[in-house]
Amino acid sequence: NAGVMQNPRHLVRRRGQEARLRCSPMKGHSHVYWYRQLPEEGLKFMVYLQKENIIDESGMPKERFSAEFPKEGPSILRIQQVVRGDSAAYFCASSPRTTYEQYFGPGTRLTVT
Amino acid sequence: GQQLNQSPQSMFIQEGEDVSMNCTSSSIFNTWLWYKQDPGEGPVLLIALYKAGELTSNGRLTAQFGITRKDSFLNISASIPSDVGIYFCAGFANTNAGKSTFGDGTTLTVKP
Repeated sequence: NAGVMQNPRHLVRRRGQEARLRCSPMKGHSHVYWYRQLPEEGLKFMVYLQKENIIDESGMPKERFSAEFPKEGPSILRIQQVVRGDSAAYFCASSPRTTYEQYFGPGTRLTVT
Repeated sequence: GQQLNQSPQSMFIQEGEDVSMNCTSSSIFNTWLWYKQDPGEGPVLLIALYKAGELTSNGRLTAQFGITRKDSFLNISASIPSDVGIYFCAGFANTNAGKSTFGDGTTLTVKP
């Protein structure tokens, strides 16, 4: 039973480019969560999505960041016009329903040069 | 916003020793989770706590949900080298199902 998959695992972007991070939840899971982690810090909640719906995006920066979870395909976290401060590890988690028990993927490490 | 204070920030212990770490908050949480994260990986869920006062074990790990609902504790007994990693607490407030608040982690080093 495959776990949560994220790709790419590492992504390098120059300032001003766009970053697209993909997350495929565990089979049967229809809820997806995105988190950002800076070095030596805990995970910071960004957004919670169900299929085709954004449930809670209170942790998302108001500009340049967007997330979607379409009916078919992976969830996408999109960062437009990246800046150096966007460099971080981005983790996706999934759950089968609105439950507190979330299963995390291995993360995407974004480096902005 | 809600914040969790996790302590200690780091621990250096000898193999076989017991370990205790905790999280405290100024806000009430209705669910507490404890995760372990290895370098370069995502967090792995260790224990989930749903009721104030609840004490739950998972092998050598024991976690408690504080009576005030503002704190939680994790104990590891008889530590082994593979316990090395970063341990995070996470709290959920009932009105924000899905949205969690994470502590900044406790880095555990176990000397053989």
